[in-house]
Amino acid sequence: EVQLVESGGGLVQPGGSLRLSCAASGFTFGTYWVGWVRQAPGRGLEWVANINQDGSKKYYVDSVRGRFTISRDNAKNSLYLHMNSLRAEDTAVYLCARDRGYYSPFDLWGQGTLVTVSS
Amino acid sequence: DIQMTQSPSSLSASVGDRVTITCRAGQSIANYLNWYQQKPGKAPRLLIYAVSSLETGVPSRFSGSGSGTDFTLTITGLQPEDFATYYCQQGYNTPHTFGQGTKLEIQ
Repeated sequence: EVQLVESGGGLVQPGGSLRLSCAASGFTFGTYWVGWVRQAPGRGLEWVANINQDGSKKYYVDSVRGRFTISRDNAKNSLYLHMNSLRAEDTAVYLCARDRGYYSPFDLWGQGTLVTVSS
Repeated sequence: DIQMTQSPSSLSASVGDRVTITCRAGQSIANYLNWYQQKPGKAPRLLIYAVSSLETGVPSRFSGSGSGTDFTLTITGLQPEDFATYYCQQGYNTPHTFGQGTKLEIQ
């Protein structure tokens, strides 16, 4: 089955760190751009970061640049999001998604993992 | 960053209606415009990419148009399963920003 499955979310204190994982299956993971999108409770979608096929190109939204790092391990068919210096406003469901490439539509999504930043 | 503005923010309609959602980009994005549908507690679903290309499996009652900065998503003949929130997204420049969403509700 073609799917993405996130893990690693949870409750963390402000200033803390967390690493999210996204396991891909059913397709050739290493041939796609992939990325992270987040959705705060009751809010809209926010594009967070993406990474190209070999991990040499990474892009971030300004609000997370310098605090979050996107990475991938194609041998493990996995995408990661390392999150440091977490803030209350980072509280959201984090979804990984496959970027088809040209026009950059996300054509495959995981179900998301909830990150709650609170003391 | 390119700001994407959708209108309206919410919309009430009935089964069988034709509805149009508008998305405006803060600068020209050529045809790098995608549309998604999201239902509560679910991941978004790609409906349309590159302004007007229908994703595989998406019913033909969904259509998209526009170019440059102004785009529309039209649903012709609303079905009960279409009541959801719709988002536009630009793929022209990173960050690939989303619109704020349009919630389509049953009248």
